[in-house]
Amino acid sequence: NAGVMQNPRHLVRRRGQEARLRCSPMKGHSHVYWYRQLPEEGLKFMVYLQKENIIDESGMPKERFSAEFPKEGPSILRIQQVVRGDSAAYFCASSPGQLNEAFFGQGTRLTVV
Amino acid sequence: QKEVEQNSGPLSVPEGAIASLNCTYSDRGSQSFFWYRQYSGKSPELIMSIYSNGDKEDGRFTAQLNKASQYVSLLIRDSQPSDSATYLCAVIFNDYKLSFGAGTTVTVRA
Repeated sequence: NAGVMQNPRHLVRRRGQEARLRCSPMKGHSHVYWYRQLPEEGLKFMVYLQKENIIDESGMPKERFSAEFPKEGPSILRIQQVVRGDSAAYFCASSPGQLNEAFFGQGTRLTVV
Repeated sequence: QKEVEQNSGPLSVPEGAIASLNCTYSDRGSQSFFWYRQYSGKSPELIMSIYSNGDKEDGRFTAQLNKASQYVSLLIRDSQPSDSATYLCAVIFNDYKLSFGAGTTVTVRA
């Protein structure tokens, strides 16, 4: 049973470009969380999704950021018109249910130049 | 605002000693509690989950939960240098959001 898969592992974007981060949950998991982590800081909640639904997006910036988890395919975190401050590690975690354990992918390190 | 608070580190313990980590949470309705370990530059790894009051042991790790006091702890017995990492307390609040504390960095001295 493969773990949570994130790609790409490293992503470099110029200011103003778009970044697309993908997360394939573990088999049988229909819940996905996205987090952002700056160096030497904690995990900041961004969004919680269930298949085809956004359950909680209270941690998402109001502009430029969006997330989806379609019926088929991976969850996508999209950042439009990236700025230097978006440079961070982005982690997703998947879970089989609302109160269950969540398992993390290896993360995507986004660098904006 | 719902919060997860961890005792500030860093925590330095000699090899073979017990490392004790503490966490409090603000939402009395929370039902699921977890401890994750994160090595520098790596992703968080789940090491313990606990759902009911009392102790839960897994190898050298023991998690303790007291819902009345809104308190969860992690004990690491016979600490090894490989246990040196940041430990994250996580709680699923009653709005189903999985929230993390800031983490406690543990260093085990050989």
